[in-house]
Amino acid sequence: GENVEQHPSTLSVQEGDSAVIKCTYSDSASNYFPWYKQELGKGPQLIIDIRSNVGEKKDQRIAVTLNKTAKHFSLHITETQPEDSAVYFCAASGDNFNKFYFGSGTKLNVKP
Amino acid sequence: DGGITQSPKYLFRKEGQNVTLSCEQNLNHDAMYWYRQDPGQGLRLIYYSQIVNDFQKGDIAEGYSVSREKKESFPLTVTSAQKNPTAFYLCAVRLSGANVLTFGAGSRLTVL
Repeated sequence: GENVEQHPSTLSVQEGDSAVIKCTYSDSASNYFPWYKQELGKGPQLIIDIRSNVGEKKDQRIAVTLNKTAKHFSLHITETQPEDSAVYFCAASGDNFNKFYFGSGTKLNVKP
Repeated sequence: DGGITQSPKYLFRKEGQNVTLSCEQNLNHDAMYWYRQDPGQGLRLIYYSQIVNDFQKGDIAEGYSVSREKKESFPLTVTSAQKNPTAFYLCAVRLSGANVLTFGAGSRLTVL
């Protein structure tokens, strides 16, 4: 089955700095890569996603890049704010979206 | 989390007891999922169901059971056979053919 690895496990940045979280996957059949944000005591929420036919996608301060050849994808958050503090998960899924495989999570702390 | 209700939010149980976690949705989504979240291990799939009266084991199904008698309900029973049941349990739903997982707020189970 698919194996998704995520780094780092914790990340601390100063407000206004950028944050980058990286994931790798093992199954070349995976072609959909969402990112979820989980705030304390809540369920994860989708913040951005990318399909394998696209190399980069942006939505305001967040962006995701995908290198299909190397089987890795990254989340970039620019101009970080304290409300960006949360746990972020990457995930991978195949064509039918039946199963999603998640990374181990990154706890992002944005210091004011 | 709107449209997905998980209950109870917190649950304590003694060793050897079965416990059932509820997941109800009013989004009319076809697929429903149960994930287990442990610190540093991300989200691991327990069971999923694509349609009523049908469900498949995920990666860590041992010690758990589910039913899908109604489209809107997908209860998870944590049996006494589950060796380490203390965890945060997340229910998710997905519209058939779509790629977005929507999560509930979660249930935290503690075995005393």
